[in-house]
Amino acid sequence: AQKITQTQPGMFVQEKEAVTLDCTYDTSDQSYGLFWYKQPSSGEMIFLIYQGSYDEQNATEGRYSLNFQKARKSANLVISASQLGDSAMYFCAMREDDMRFGAGTRLTVKP
Amino acid sequence: EAQVTQNPRYLITVTGKKLTVTCSQNMNHEYMSWYRQDPGLGLRQIYYSMNVEVTDKGDVPEGYKVSRKEKRNFPLILESPSPNQTSLYFCASSWRVGRELFFGEGSRLTVL
Repeated sequence: AQKITQTQPGMFVQEKEAVTLDCTYDTSDQSYGLFWYKQPSSGEMIFLIYQGSYDEQNATEGRYSLNFQKARKSANLVISASQLGDSAMYFCAMREDDMRFGAGTRLTVKP
Repeated sequence: EAQVTQNPRYLITVTGKKLTVTCSQNMNHEYMSWYRQDPGLGLRQIYYSMNVEVTDKGDVPEGYKVSRKEKRNFPLILESPSPNQTSLYFCASSWRVGRELFFGEGSRLTVL
Protein backbone atom coordinates (compact mmCIF):
# COMPACT_ATOMS: atom_id res chain seq x y z
CA ALA A 1 0.00 0.00 0.00
CA GLN A 2 1.06 3.52 -0.63
CA LYS A 3 2.32 5.57 2.25
CA ILE A 4 2.99 9.27 2.43
CA THR A 5 4.99 10.75 5.31
CA GLN A 6 5.17 14.36 6.31
CA THR A 7 7.43 14.59 9.35
CA GLN A 8 6.84 18.25 10.19
CA PRO A 9 3.52 18.82 11.95
CA GLY A 10 4.25 22.56 12.11
CA MET A 11 6.70 24.99 10.56
CA PHE A 12 7.41 28.68 11.03
CA VAL A 13 9.03 30.96 8.47
CA GLN A 14 9.78 34.65 8.36
CA GLU A 15 8.00 36.63 5.69
CA LYS A 16 10.02 36.89 2.44
CA GLU A 17 12.19 33.89 3.32
CA ALA A 18 12.11 30.50 1.62
CA VAL A 19 10.80 27.36 3.34
CA THR A 20 10.97 23.65 2.54
CA LEU A 21 8.18 21.26 3.51
CA ASP A 22 9.26 17.64 3.61
CA CYS A 23 7.50 14.68 2.06
CA THR A 24 8.60 11.10 1.58
CA TYR A 25 6.62 8.34 -0.02
CA ASP A 26 6.69 4.61 -0.38
CA THR A 27 5.65 2.73 -3.49
CA SER A 28 6.77 -0.21 -5.57
CA ASP A 29 5.21 1.21 -8.73
CA GLN A 30 7.29 2.91 -11.39
CA SER A 31 4.50 5.17 -12.62
CA TYR A 32 2.96 7.58 -10.16
CA GLY A 33 2.27 11.26 -9.61
CA LEU A 34 3.19 13.49 -6.70
CA PHE A 35 1.11 16.47 -5.66
CA TRP A 36 1.00 19.26 -3.16
CA TYR A 37 -2.20 20.89 -1.95
CA LYS A 38 -2.76 23.93 0.23
CA GLN A 39 -5.62 24.19 2.70
CA PRO A 40 -6.14 27.69 4.13
CA SER A 41 -8.20 28.28 7.23
CA SER A 42 -11.31 28.60 5.06
CA GLY A 43 -11.03 24.87 4.41
CA GLU A 44 -10.90 24.44 0.65
CA MET A 45 -8.25 22.28 -0.97
CA ILE A 46 -6.13 24.15 -3.48
CA PHE A 47 -3.91 22.30 -5.94
CA LEU A 48 -0.39 23.74 -6.06
CA ILE A 49 1.98 21.59 -8.06
CA TYR A 50 2.41 18.22 -9.75
CA GLN A 51 5.42 16.01 -10.50
CA GLY A 52 5.25 12.87 -12.60
CA SER A 53 7.53 9.99 -11.69
CA TYR A 54 9.08 10.02 -15.15
CA ASP A 55 9.64 13.76 -15.24
CA GLU A 56 13.34 14.47 -15.20
CA GLN A 57 13.07 18.12 -14.28
CA ASN A 58 11.68 19.40 -11.02
CA ALA A 59 8.26 21.00 -11.36
CA THR A 60 7.86 24.71 -10.75
CA GLU A 61 4.74 26.87 -10.49
CA GLY A 62 5.47 30.49 -9.67
CA ARG A 63 6.88 30.62 -6.13
CA TYR A 64 6.38 26.88 -5.68
CA SER A 65 8.88 24.24 -6.71
CA LEU A 66 8.99 20.55 -6.04
CA ASN A 67 12.37 19.06 -5.14
CA PHE A 68 11.96 15.54 -6.53
CA GLN A 69 14.55 12.96 -5.52
CA LYS A 70 13.32 9.69 -6.93
CA ALA A 71 15.98 7.42 -5.49
CA ARG A 72 15.31 8.78 -2.02
CA LYS A 73 11.54 8.78 -2.63
CA SER A 74 11.21 12.34 -1.52
CA ALA A 75 9.11 15.18 -2.96
CA ASN A 76 9.73 18.28 -0.91
CA LEU A 77 7.84 21.50 -1.56
CA VAL A 78 9.87 24.69 -1.64
CA ILE A 79 8.08 28.01 -1.26
CA SER A 80 10.21 31.00 -2.11
CA ALA A 81 9.68 34.53 -0.80
CA SER A 82 7.01 33.51 1.73
CA GLN A 83 3.96 35.72 2.11
CA LEU A 84 1.52 36.05 4.98
CA GLY A 85 -1.12 34.45 2.79
CA ASP A 86 0.98 31.28 2.59
CA SER A 87 -0.01 30.45 6.17
CA ALA A 88 -2.04 27.24 5.79
CA MET A 89 -1.98 23.47 6.00
CA TYR A 90 -0.01 21.80 3.23
CA PHE A 91 -0.62 18.24 2.12
CA CYS A 92 1.62 16.01 0.07
CA ALA A 93 -0.12 13.32 -1.98
CA MET A 94 0.76 10.48 -4.29
CA ARG A 95 -1.35 8.97 -7.00
CA GLU A 96 -1.12 5.59 -8.66
CA ASP A 97 -4.71 4.65 -9.45
CA ASP A 98 -6.13 6.48 -6.47
CA MET A 99 -4.68 9.32 -4.45
CA ARG A 100 -3.43 9.12 -0.89
CA PHE A 101 -2.41 11.99 1.35
CA GLY A 102 0.08 12.66 4.11
CA ALA A 103 -0.94 14.00 7.52
CA GLY A 104 -0.05 17.55 6.56
CA THR A 105 2.24 20.36 7.73
CA ARG A 106 0.88 23.57 9.21
CA LEU A 107 2.93 26.49 7.94
CA THR A 108 2.86 29.82 9.74
CA VAL A 109 4.45 32.85 8.10
CA LYS A 110 5.58 35.47 10.60
CA PRO A 111 5.64 39.18 9.68
CA GLU B 1 -17.85 26.93 -14.22
CA ALA B 2 -16.10 23.62 -13.59
CA GLN B 3 -16.84 22.47 -10.09
CA VAL B 4 -17.51 19.75 -7.58
CA THR B 5 -20.57 20.46 -5.46
CA GLN B 6 -21.25 18.88 -2.09
CA ASN B 7 -24.36 19.17 0.04
CA PRO B 8 -24.94 19.79 2.81
CA ARG B 9 -21.95 21.91 3.77
CA TYR B 10 -22.76 21.66 7.46
CA LEU B 11 -24.86 19.11 9.30
CA ILE B 12 -25.50 18.21 12.90
CA THR B 13 -27.32 14.94 13.40
CA VAL B 14 -27.88 12.27 16.03
CA THR B 15 -26.58 8.75 16.33
CA GLY B 16 -28.39 6.29 14.11
CA LYS B 17 -30.22 8.73 11.86
CA LYS B 18 -29.41 7.85 8.27
CA LEU B 19 -27.97 10.63 6.16
CA THR B 20 -26.65 11.17 2.67
CA VAL B 21 -24.03 13.66 1.54
CA THR B 22 -24.42 14.37 -2.14
CA CYS B 23 -21.58 15.06 -4.55
CA SER B 24 -21.90 16.17 -8.14
CA GLN B 25 -19.30 17.19 -10.72
CA ASN B 26 -19.81 18.86 -14.09
CA MET B 27 -16.45 18.04 -15.69
CA ASN B 28 -17.32 14.60 -17.08
CA HIS B 29 -14.67 13.06 -14.85
CA GLU B 30 -14.53 9.30 -14.62
CA TYR B 31 -12.83 9.12 -11.22
CA MET B 32 -14.54 10.24 -8.03
CA SER B 33 -13.56 9.77 -4.42
CA TRP B 34 -14.57 10.53 -0.84
CA TYR B 35 -12.16 11.50 1.92
CA ARG B 36 -12.52 12.35 5.54
CA GLN B 37 -10.20 14.79 7.25
CA ASP B 38 -9.38 14.56 10.94
CA PRO B 39 -6.77 16.54 12.88
CA GLY B 40 -3.31 14.97 12.69
CA LEU B 41 -4.45 12.29 10.25
CA GLY B 42 -4.64 14.20 7.01
CA LEU B 43 -7.14 13.06 4.40
CA ARG B 44 -8.08 9.41 4.49
CA GLN B 45 -9.86 7.80 1.61
CA ILE B 46 -13.25 6.26 2.30
CA TYR B 47 -14.37 5.01 -1.12
CA TYR B 48 -13.49 5.72 -4.69
CA SER B 49 -14.99 5.04 -8.09
CA MET B 50 -13.16 4.57 -11.36
CA ASN B 51 -16.33 4.81 -13.43
CA VAL B 52 -20.09 4.29 -13.41
CA GLU B 53 -21.09 1.20 -11.40
CA VAL B 54 -17.47 0.66 -10.28
CA THR B 55 -16.66 1.42 -6.66
CA ASP B 56 -13.88 0.30 -4.33
CA LYS B 57 -13.05 0.63 -0.67
CA GLY B 58 -10.42 3.04 0.48
CA ASP B 59 -8.63 2.97 3.80
CA VAL B 60 -11.58 3.71 6.11
CA PRO B 61 -14.79 2.35 4.51
CA GLU B 62 -16.46 1.01 7.66
CA GLY B 63 -19.82 2.64 8.34
CA TYR B 64 -20.13 4.17 4.86
CA LYS B 65 -21.76 3.24 1.58
CA VAL B 66 -21.51 4.79 -1.84
CA SER B 67 -23.11 4.36 -5.24
CA ARG B 68 -22.20 5.50 -8.73
CA LYS B 69 -25.26 5.17 -10.93
CA GLU B 70 -24.44 8.23 -13.01
CA LYS B 71 -21.10 9.63 -14.01
CA ARG B 72 -21.66 13.00 -12.40
CA ASN B 73 -22.95 11.88 -8.98
CA PHE B 74 -21.26 10.01 -6.16
CA PRO B 75 -23.28 10.19 -2.93
CA LEU B 76 -21.89 9.13 0.44
CA ILE B 77 -24.36 7.33 2.67
CA LEU B 78 -24.10 6.90 6.41
CA GLU B 79 -26.70 4.27 7.25
CA SER B 80 -26.35 4.57 11.03
CA PRO B 81 -24.03 7.43 11.92
CA SER B 82 -21.96 7.27 15.09
CA PRO B 83 -20.00 9.98 16.91
CA ASN B 84 -16.69 8.68 15.53
CA GLN B 85 -17.92 9.73 12.09
CA THR B 86 -17.84 13.35 13.13
CA SER B 87 -15.42 14.79 10.60
CA LEU B 88 -14.85 17.04 7.62
CA TYR B 89 -15.72 15.21 4.41
CA PHE B 90 -14.42 15.98 0.94
CA CYS B 91 -15.60 14.73 -2.40
CA ALA B 92 -13.14 14.94 -5.30
CA SER B 93 -13.01 14.05 -8.98
CA SER B 94 -10.50 13.80 -11.79
CA TRP B 95 -9.74 12.16 -15.09
CA ARG B 96 -9.23 8.46 -14.57
CA VAL B 97 -5.56 8.33 -15.26
CA GLY B 98 -3.91 11.43 -14.40
CA ARG B 99 -3.38 14.46 -12.54
CA GLU B 100 -4.83 16.56 -9.83
CA LEU B 101 -8.06 15.98 -8.01
CA PHE B 102 -10.68 18.69 -8.04
CA PHE B 103 -12.23 19.03 -4.61
CA GLY B 104 -15.59 20.08 -3.35
CA GLU B 105 -15.77 22.68 -0.61
CA GLY B 106 -16.17 20.10 2.13
CA SER B 107 -19.01 18.98 4.36
CA ARG B 108 -18.61 19.32 8.10
CA LEU B 109 -20.60 16.61 9.84
CA THR B 110 -21.24 16.37 13.57
CA VAL B 111 -22.87 13.26 15.01
CA LEU B 112 -24.18 13.66 18.57
